Amino acid sequence: EAGVAQSPRYKIIEKRQSVAFWCNPISGHATLYWYQQILGQGPKLLIQFQNNGVVDDSQLPKDRFSAERLKGVDSTLKIQPAKLEDSAVYLCASSLRTGNTEAFFGQGTRLTVV
Amino acid sequence: GNSVTQMEGPVTLSEEAFLTINCTYTATGYPSLFWYVQYPGEGLQLLLKATKADDKGSNKGFEATYRKETTSFHLEKGSVQVSDSAVYFCALSITGGGNKLTFGTGTQLKVEL
Repeated sequence: EAGVAQSPRYKIIEKRQSVAFWCNPISGHATLYWYQQILGQGPKLLIQFQNNGVVDDSQLPKDRFSAERLKGVDSTLKIQPAKLEDSAVYLCASSLRTGNTEAFFGQGTRLTVV
Repeated sequence: GNSVTQMEGPVTLSEEAFLTINCTYTATGYPSLFWYVQYPGEGLQLLLKATKADDKGSNKGFEATYRKETTSFHLEKGSVQVSDSAVYFCALSITGGGNKLTFGTGTQLKVEL
């Protein structure tokens, strides 16, 4: 079974530029999550989708971050414009459904903003 | 709110030593508790979990017991190997809370020969 796929693995951009990350969850998984992991900290949930609807985006900085999950499969997370403090690893995860089920994580995208 | 506190690393042990990584939590509802592991260059993987008080999760020789009275979920292994070197994250999710995970800051384990 293929795991959660993310791209790119690494990205370096200058502040005020825009960037987008892509995630393909495990086939059949209805729930998709984006987490931000700043160096030295644990992952923090940015947004959670159930199919193509948003379940929780309370910690998403909506002035600069946006995410979509068209057709309830792939998802894209965008930052525009980027700030230095956005440097982090962005993790995508998926689970069969919302509830007490295991979340499977991708390898993440490491973003460096200079 | 919900939070997880785990011991700071790095923890450096010799092979075959006993491992304990402490984890305590605060939660507004009834949590399920997890340990995730991140090997170098890889994504987070679920190591073990427990969904109710006094449950013991176990996998690959690792164990953790859900202690409601002390709000703890300490990770233990009787004899560590070099291949156990990784970063370990304690996490919780609230039952009925949409499976959202709240993570601790992670503890790096280094096992030497």
